[in-house]
Amino acid sequence: GDSVTQMEGPVTLSEEAFLTINCTYTATGYPSLFWYVQYPGEGLQLLLKATKADDKGSNKGFEATYRKETTSFHLEKGSVQVSDSAVYFCALSDRATGGFKTIFGAGTRLFVKA
Amino acid sequence: DTAVSQTPKYLVTQMGNDKSIKCEQNLGHDTMYWYKQDSKKFLKIMFSYNNKELIINETVPNRFSPKSPDKAHLNLHINSLELGDSAVYFCASSSGTVDSPLHFGNGTRLTVT
Repeated sequence: GDSVTQMEGPVTLSEEAFLTINCTYTATGYPSLFWYVQYPGEGLQLLLKATKADDKGSNKGFEATYRKETTSFHLEKGSVQVSDSAVYFCALSDRATGGFKTIFGAGTRLFVKA
Repeated sequence: DTAVSQTPKYLVTQMGNDKSIKCEQNLGHDTMYWYKQDSKKFLKIMFSYNNKELIINETVPNRFSPKSPDKAHLNLHINSLELGDSAVYFCASSSGTVDSPLHFGNGTRLTVT
């Protein structure tokens, strides 16, 4: 079945450091790929998405490129801020019996120190 | 003008009780979901409904029964609560295509004592 694997956290960085959170996937079909962010006490929010190979999703300085050859969708940001501290989830959406299903990675907690 | 709202935010109850969580979305989406997030933040899909019809049921115990009175509402009823049911439950909605993102509510933290 489909699955998403992302690097374990927590990741601790100083402000203005470069961020990479690795994500790889396995899928039976041709999935769409997403990154979501979860702040304390809140639900997940879409950060960015990509729907086909070589697409780059970007938002708020975060980027990720859909790499079909390596089945990866790594999240990057050039200069993190304290306000980026949150849990980040890589996810894929693929066909399932009766409709579509979104599967999430285990989440990576990011701490950014001032 | 909250897009996906669920109530209550917190639910503390004893083993063996029955409880319900309500969810409503005003985004006009056709598809709604329930996800369970455990203490390690792992998210697992439980159910998916499209236009009031159940389309995904992920081997969830029969004690969990979703109900969709209309496409804007998806409620979750849980019978005979167990300690292992303690988690955060998230409702979400989407337009139901492979590239449409999920819109989440803020979650219901269920604690079973």
